[in-house]
Amino acid sequence: GAVVSQHPSWVICKSGTSVKIECRSLDFQATTMFWYRQFPKQSLMLMATSNEGSKATYEQGVEKDKFLINHASLTLSTLTVTSAHPEDSSFYICSATNPGLGTEAFFGQGTRLTVV
Amino acid sequence: LAKTTQPISMDSYEGQEVNITCSHNNIATNDYITWYQQFPSQGPRFIIQGYKTKVTNEVASLFIPADRKSSTLSLPRVSLSDTAVYYCLVGDLRGDSSYKLIFGSGTRLLVRP
Repeated sequence: GAVVSQHPSWVICKSGTSVKIECRSLDFQATTMFWYRQFPKQSLMLMATSNEGSKATYEQGVEKDKFLINHASLTLSTLTVTSAHPEDSSFYICSATNPGLGTEAFFGQGTRLTVV
Repeated sequence: LAKTTQPISMDSYEGQEVNITCSHNNIATNDYITWYQQFPSQGPRFIIQGYKTKVTNEVASLFIPADRKSSTLSLPRVSLSDTAVYYCLVGDLRGDSSYKLIFGSGTRLLVRP
């Protein structure tokens, strides 16, 4: 089946620094990618939706200048958490879809971000 | 967007059949119903997907009544490793670039020895 890979799996950074998380579709072209944030014992919260070559569409309450999303190619999307603070510590998950592959969404393994 | 409602949690014992029901009263004509499983600190994993009636694969069955306003995920003979959170999603990913993959609260299944 289609594989989505996230990197890194976990990262610890200092408050005020920026962190980039990569999401790659390894064996298919991802026309749409979704980025989620998940806090402990909560559901996945959609942050933004991005289509290749277009600007990302952010959900209400998600700061686009803080969470920079780039979907420059059909196999790669990146999420950059700028000027990270401890409250940004969370589990970040990406998902990729391609209508040609049917109606299933493919998820990465997630990235655990800890801001100290 | 079709909102989904599931029980917050369920308990079961090893070897039992578990049925998790999801309500989606405003499901659209083109929407599919998909169930995902998530273990702690992992991304969701696809379990099964259906449009109507019954779908079965090697791990689960999905029952969808004629009105499609609900669906039931059936896990036969659960084991301890089935302890996870199960999410029901509805939507159509086939062509609408504005479609959003929204998760509901999910059902936390605990399987006891």
